[in-house]
Amino acid sequence: EAQVTQNPRYLITVTGKKLTVTCSQNMNHEYMSWYRQDPGLGLRQIYYSMNVEVTDKGDVPEGYKVSRKEKRNFPLILESPSPNQTSLYFCASSLSYYNEQFFGPGTRLTVL
Amino acid sequence: AQKVTQAQTEISVVEKEDVTLDCVYETRDTTYYLFWYKQPPSGELVFLIRRNSFDEQNEISGRYSWNFQKSTSSFNFTITASQVVDSAVYFCALDSNYQLIWGAGTKLIIKP
Repeated sequence: EAQVTQNPRYLITVTGKKLTVTCSQNMNHEYMSWYRQDPGLGLRQIYYSMNVEVTDKGDVPEGYKVSRKEKRNFPLILESPSPNQTSLYFCASSLSYYNEQFFGPGTRLTVL
Repeated sequence: AQKVTQAQTEISVVEKEDVTLDCVYETRDTTYYLFWYKQPPSGELVFLIRRNSFDEQNEISGRYSWNFQKSTSSFNFTITASQVVDSAVYFCALDSNYQLIWGAGTKLIIKP
């Protein structure tokens, strides 16, 4: 089944404790992206990747890191999480940036 | 600057009514794509449609239809004979420089 998986689905952590949210797709898509969703703001792009080893900042990259060592995986790293990073995070993939994006189920992160 | 505006924060209608969700965008690009996504109460993001800026034909898919007008920079979405299952948050998005710019979303409530 074609899908984008994210783990964990829910995470409660404390300020400053490094964490990684994994994202994997099995559709051989070149484009992958991370978004955060906050009430009233829609989705905002954090980072995106056009292909392996090619990543770029979106609109709200501060406090986040990503890597794209393999085509299928695109982990999101929070080196030192802060409470303002409490949000719902979505990973997405598509053939290219202008194609339909397939989304993961979301990761709800709470930083205390 | 690229921007997507969904001025209707929330719409509530009774089942079987027709409803139109507005989307107005700003872009300096001559070639661009517009999208609509649906987020039902379960939280996943579901692709509905993609429209190329060169294709101004209206699209109909069952009870759903989309009206794209470049002259007014709008890409409105109409649901005919709404059903309770249409209750969701609907997002309009614009591709820009390899990213998707999202509107804040319109929450649609269909009452039985």
